[in-house]
Amino acid sequence: QVQLQESGPGLVKPSQTLSLTCTVSGGSISSGGYYWSWIRQHPGKGLEWIGYIYYSGSTYYNPSLKSRVTISVDTSKNQFSLKLSSVTAADTAVYYCARDDSGWYAYWGQGTLVTVSS
Amino acid sequence: EIVMTQSPATLSVSPGERATLSCRASQSVSSNLAWYQQKPGQAPRLLIYGASTRATGIPARFSGSGSGTEFTLTISSLQSEDFAVYYCQQYNNWPPETFGGGTKVEIK
Repeated sequence: QVQLQESGPGLVKPSQTLSLTCTVSGGSISSGGYYWSWIRQHPGKGLEWIGYIYYSGSTYYNPSLKSRVTISVDTSKNQFSLKLSSVTAADTAVYYCARDDSGWYAYWGQGTLVTVSS
Repeated sequence: EIVMTQSPATLSVSPGERATLSCRASQSVSSNLAWYQQKPGQAPRLLIYGASTRATGIPARFSGSGSGTEFTLTISSLQSEDFAVYYCQQYNNWPPETFGGGTKVEIK
């Protein structure tokens, strides 16, 4: 059973960079076959796809966030990471990591709330 | 970007009744559509993919239909654990994959 777990600071100051890591267990990122994704949910709102990465390092980003987003992978640690630069209060959200199974998401992390505030 | 529109925003249903949720895409997504259930404080749970295929472990009372731009999630007989928010998601045209705004199913 694949499990994903987000980790990182819960509070980030405006203009700084949000950094989160997702640790995958029960399956190897380097085995291929799946994209590994970040999705966020603003408080009380819907879901927004941020982007994803393949084990090879290929990435796809939401055009609305592309200029500020970097997703990277560390196959040796079975982790992938999100960096979102120049954050504002509008980036306050619950951030989920998830496994893309040919477009749909059967496996999700529990989510981590990141608040942008000084 | 494909815009996904869900209706209604809130659906009030009595336990044991049927619930019908709608999802419309701004352009055709073929059958590349998924449905999720989300309860407060939890991650979304995959219910349906490929517009009509139930995910592993999902009860038969959940069914999905549609193709192109119009999709429906039906819950045949609502159980207490089914009261939640439901989202549709298209994965036909990406990036970005896009989600609907959600339908909250509440107890009538």
